[in-house]
Amino acid sequence: AAGVIQSPRHLIKEKRETATLKCYPIPRHDTVYWYQQGPGQDPQFLISFYEKMQSDKGSIPDRFSAQQFSDYHSELNMSSLELGDSALYFCASSPRWSPEGGANVLTFGAGSRLTVL
Amino acid sequence: AQTVTQSQPEMSVQEAETVTLSCTYDTSESDYYLFWYKQPPSRQMILVIRQEAYKQQNATENRFSVNFQKAAKSFSLKISDSQLGDAAMYFCAYRSGNSGYALNFGKGTSLLVTP
Repeated sequence: AAGVIQSPRHLIKEKRETATLKCYPIPRHDTVYWYQQGPGQDPQFLISFYEKMQSDKGSIPDRFSAQQFSDYHSELNMSSLELGDSALYFCASSPRWSPEGGANVLTFGAGSRLTVL
Repeated sequence: AQTVTQSQPEMSVQEAETVTLSCTYDTSESDYYLFWYKQPPSRQMILVIRQEAYKQQNATENRFSVNFQKAAKSFSLKISDSQLGDAAMYFCAYRSGNSGYALNFGKGTSLLVTP
């Protein structure tokens, strides 16, 4: 079965540089979520999109922005990178509504590891 | 905001034994969903089990089951017949049924499985 695809898997940047992460959701999933997981931390919700519109906003820094495109893929843009931005960035996707009712399940990608030097 | 608390940073279990991971949450909502996710050393987040708050019956998935106590706001995960492959970080997560669809995670419990 198709999974959530994230690219790149690894990225190394210098402080103050810009980075872009991409996420390709599971086909027919209309909602995309971005999470940041620092070393030894739990995943922190950044932002989500439903049908190309921002759906919910978490602890996303002002230096970060994201969008969802017409083909439902999403990009997370990070500018003025700081050492503290080094983390594993997860994208997850889900259908808005579970076809069998109940909880819609988020399926996570493998993550993009960003290292800021 | 809803908070999810996992009071056990680390747990250890012997192969073939049973272990229970604890999770409590704080919410004023009546409609919500609870999940357990597993994160092995590969760092992939894998769904283990889910529970709808409106369902009284505890969810089960093969060797994994939950004890959902709605009044106590408790959602523990029981792993039976533990296997070496169960070694991972386990995260309890909450999702509102009313607004927002993102998951709110606890701090996680690291499970060690010994032969």
